[in-house]
Amino acid sequence: DADVTQTPRNRITKTGKRIMLECSQTKGHDRMYWYRQDPGLGLRLIYYSFDVKDINKGEISDGYSVSRQAQAKFSLSLESAIPNQTALYFCATSRQGPDTGELFFGEGSRLTVL
Amino acid sequence: GESVGLHLPTLSVQEGDNSIINCAYSNSASDYFIWYKQESGKGPQFIIDIRSNMDKRQGQRVTVLLNKTVKHLSLQIAATQPGDSAVYFCAEKDYGGSQGNLIFGKGTKLSVKP
Repeated sequence: DADVTQTPRNRITKTGKRIMLECSQTKGHDRMYWYRQDPGLGLRLIYYSFDVKDINKGEISDGYSVSRQAQAKFSLSLESAIPNQTALYFCATSRQGPDTGELFFGEGSRLTVL
Repeated sequence: GESVGLHLPTLSVQEGDNSIINCAYSNSASDYFIWYKQESGKGPQFIIDIRSNMDKRQGQRVTVLLNKTVKHLSLQIAATQPGDSAVYFCAEKDYGGSQGNLIFGKGTKLSVKP
């Protein structure tokens, strides 16, 4: 079983719809992240959370919101999806502490907004 | 702004040859670097990391070289195998406004010819 699980893996929706991507982890890590991947642009950070009560905006947070329901769960919402939010979304976790740069990624959620 | 970039977007090598994937970084404050491998349909996976107090680190069939003078990072893969075909990302740890989060390059696609 995957240590970092994302649902759904694929989703097609229409402009204006609300979408939630969910992430759960069994690694026991405090830190969780949401990244967006677009062809030729690499991975860009949307939001991150260092513990349940800590939520921070990343590089491209506009149009997105997150909720850290528990240490193991971190969800990403698009309140009103638009076509340029079509992308591959990754959840990731990491350990707490200095110089703990290694991220553990989920398998990704491919979102298409028509 | 600071960015992490790659010299070549694609690299094609013959099976058994050595591969070298390059990465340039511009943030002189970064002192931790990671290489990730992303296979088709999967999330990125950690390969190897290096701290700025080192200029070389070796793993199993992989070596990372860091040249701080010219802000250059490279990943060398020895005896490249078909299973090495993937997109490779370098990432640097940003000690600026995003609390030490990783900044990813745009990726290099490695194709291994049998």
